[in-house]
Amino acid sequence: EAQVTQNPRYLITVTGKKLTVTCSQNMNHEYMSWYRQDPGLGLRQIYYSMNVEVTDKGDVPEGYKVSRKEKRNFPLILESPSPNQTSLYFCASSFDGGGSYEQYFGPGTRLTVT
Amino acid sequence: AQSVTQPDIHITVSEGASLELRCNYSYGATPYLFWYVQSPGQGLQLLLKYFSGDTLVQGIKGFEAEFKRSQSSFNLRKPSVHWSDAAEYFCAVRASGTYKYIFGTGTRLKVLA
Repeated sequence: EAQVTQNPRYLITVTGKKLTVTCSQNMNHEYMSWYRQDPGLGLRQIYYSMNVEVTDKGDVPEGYKVSRKEKRNFPLILESPSPNQTSLYFCASSFDGGGSYEQYFGPGTRLTVT
Repeated sequence: AQSVTQPDIHITVSEGASLELRCNYSYGATPYLFWYVQSPGQGLQLLLKYFSGDTLVQGIKGFEAEFKRSQSSFNLRKPSVHWSDAAEYFCAVRASGTYKYIFGTGTRLKVLA
């Protein structure tokens, strides 16, 4: 089954404790992206990757890191989480080109930073 | 700055009534346009998309959207709403030639029985 998986689905952590949210897709998509969703703000793009070893900042990259060492994986790293990073995070992937660009979204990771 | 506006935060309609959700964008050229739906506790699912060609596009679940260049709009419509359509709807754009996506703030749809 074609899918985007995220782990963990729920995470409660404390300020300053480094964490990683994993994202994996099995569709051989070139494009992957991370979003955060906050009430009243919709989804905002954090980082995206056009292919292996190629990443760029979205609209809200501060406090986050990403890496793309393999095509299927795109982890989101919070080196020193703060309470303002409490949010619902979505990973997405897409085949980029040929009239597609449809993003497939993962189920989301709800992060709480205390 | 590039932006997407969904002016209606909440919309309530009766089951069987027609629906129109508004989306306006601000871009220099015609972007790629999308509508996604998010059911409670779920991820996002693509309803439809527009890149070029016919300005009226059909999507899944009986939805359609019309691109109007002169109004910079991409409104979503459905002729007869079902109770299962209750969800949050997001309009999104991607400027052609870029890799960035901008989402609107969403419209939450409530359907009355």
